[in-house]
Amino acid sequence: DIVMTQSPDSLAVSLGERATINCKSSQSVFYSSNNKNYLAWFQQKPGQPPRLLIYWASTRESGVPDRFSGSGSGTDFTLTISSLQAEDVAVYYCQQYNNSPFTFGGGTKVEIK
Amino acid sequence: QVQLHQWGAGLLKPSETLSLTCAVSGGSFSAYFCSWLRQPPGKGPQWIGEIAHSGGPDYNPSHKSRVTISRDTSKKLFSLKLTSVTAADTAVYYCACGSYSSRGWSYWGQGTLVTVSS
Repeated sequence: DIVMTQSPDSLAVSLGERATINCKSSQSVFYSSNNKNYLAWFQQKPGQPPRLLIYWASTRESGVPDRFSGSGSGTDFTLTISSLQAEDVAVYYCQQYNNSPFTFGGGTKVEIK
Repeated sequence: QVQLHQWGAGLLKPSETLSLTCAVSGGSFSAYFCSWLRQPPGKGPQWIGEIAHSGGPDYNPSHKSRVTISRDTSKKLFSLKLTSVTAADTAVYYCACGSYSSRGWSYWGQGTLVTVSS
């Protein structure tokens, strides 16, 4: 199984400041035949199902604010919230879908400082 | 707007079979791959398995011997069965679907808390 490791486990950021979450996979999730990284980011608030934010490592899902961006390739990825808003308080997960079984990172809890 | 609604028993005894069903509305069911995931209390999501429009299901090997995922395209339903449950299967179970173009789960059911207790 591909192991997904996120860092940090939690972070506190002031409103309007940048939040950066890192995700590392134990093997590459890049598929050379279509030049895509099989990596997604999800946001989860208490009592709600996860919400897809980013797929193909950097493509924003429809309706997701543009302050959310994804970057990286191969084994190292980053989710950036450019200007943290109160409604962004949540747990964020990365997930690979290159190899079955599809696996998630341990999550990063984002709070307001 | 695609919506998923799931239902099934929320309290089971050890050794019983977990059975959940998910109905897809508002979209073309054949355009989506659909999965079941679960989330134990205080932990991250875990992928159980999925079923595509065509072809057989794909299961997580950690559950493979106990899991069956099926799909009824005419009724726009897909189902999960997990046999011989134990306390370790206590979790919120989600159905989720997505388009083949993104391979991401864009649509989610509301979740069902399944508790296994004697």
